[in-house]
Amino acid sequence: AQSVTQLGSHVSVSEGALVLLRCNYSSSVPPYLFWYVQYPNQGLQLLLKYTTGATLVKGINGFEAEFKKSETSFHLTKPSAHMSDAAEYFCAVSDQGFQKLVFGTGTRLLVSP
Amino acid sequence: DTEVTQTPKHLVMGMTNKKSLKCEQHMGHRAMYWYKQKAKKPPELMFVYSYEKLSINESVPSRFSPECPNSSLLNLHLHALQPEDSALYLCASSRDLSGGNEQFFGPGTRLTVL
Repeated sequence: AQSVTQLGSHVSVSEGALVLLRCNYSSSVPPYLFWYVQYPNQGLQLLLKYTTGATLVKGINGFEAEFKKSETSFHLTKPSAHMSDAAEYFCAVSDQGFQKLVFGTGTRLLVSP
Repeated sequence: DTEVTQTPKHLVMGMTNKKSLKCEQHMGHRAMYWYKQKAKKPPELMFVYSYEKLSINESVPSRFSPECPNSSLLNLHLHALQPEDSALYLCASSRDLSGGNEQFFGPGTRLTVL
């Protein structure tokens, strides 16, 4: 069975600092990996996804993530945090055969001025 | 149009009421999903429709009854709910059920059961 672990339920950064949100996955088959963001009282929005090909994936709002098979990781980064990045971030995995997302428990990003 | 719409935005109902949640998309997607999300938790999958047929029911109690009248619409009929059913109900759609397709989420319906 597939699973996702997000280390750190809360991450706090200062505005302008590097953002690093950690995601490790477990999958017996090559996975598809996703990062979604959820702002308060809203639905989820896709930031980026990895399916095949280039392991460094660029997404919206300046975020990127690197698929590292040897480390079973898909960490999300952004060079410089902005106040508007404060939100809940979910890492998710699905397999090639079926679009059923398995979500991590989420990481709340707090950005201070 | 890359939007999934959900109505109503908020819903308060008693345990004896019958109500329905509605979801609509016009992206030509053939897979549609209902999720339940409790506070500070990830979304939990409830139902999946593929080509208007129920594909997955994640052992959801029968007081929740999904319906897919056509390829653009998805309803969730609610009856005799319990207070613990209070949550944010999210609808999503994707091109089909093939892995790797992005799921587009609606803004959700905030349900409170009294």
